[in-house]
Amino acid sequence: SYELTQPSSVSVSPGQTARITCSGDVLAKKYARWFQQKPGQAPVLVIYKDSERPSGIPERFSGSSSGTTVTLTISGAQVEDEADYYCYSAADNNRVFGGGTKLTVL
Amino acid sequence: QVQLVESGGGLVKPGGSLRLSCAASGFTFSDYYMSWIRQAPGKGLEWVSYISSSGSTIYYADSVKGRFTISRDNAKNSLYLQMNSLRAEDTAVYYCARDEGWLWGQGTLVTVSS
Repeated sequence: SYELTQPSSVSVSPGQTARITCSGDVLAKKYARWFQQKPGQAPVLVIYKDSERPSGIPERFSGSSSGTTVTLTISGAQVEDEADYYCYSAADNNRVFGGGTKLTVL
Repeated sequence: QVQLVESGGGLVKPGGSLRLSCAASGFTFSDYYMSWIRQAPGKGLEWVSYISSSGSTIYYADSVKGRFTISRDNAKNSLYLQMNSLRAEDTAVYYCARDEGWLWGQGTLVTVSS
């Protein structure tokens, strides 16, 4: 099995840029996805293939990758972006989520 | 309407069994691989199991291997998770998901307690 490591929390003021990292050896050879989860709701896919954005996801959400680290960037974070964010990757017969990052926009 | 609806959760004693179902609608279920993902109260997401579109390829997390069985019935547009030998640490909201996260159900709560 393998692991993905995220910071437990990130805090920004509205309008600032929020960056959430996810690190793991598997990311050097496999794509990552990012999910947003608000309290009491099911997760929503916000980034796939490291940097692709599904239709309907605001342009302020972007993703990037470098080596064994992927980064979710929210440019001009808004109060409604406050949520838990999880990275995810799959390799062979394993799939794994990062531990999650609580984003506070205050 | 494209959606997934889970059912079958509830309260069960340690060592007991439960079968979860996930009903798919609004898309061609047999075209997609499916997964079960769970979330313990106040905790993060944990991948549980994966099944290919035909059902020929199946994977499990180490934490459930040998106790849980994933299956699907493409004729009934349904995904299942048979959970045996349940433990307190299996207590969680269980989500079914299409394509490893492109579409999620709202989840069903499983509580394992005496």
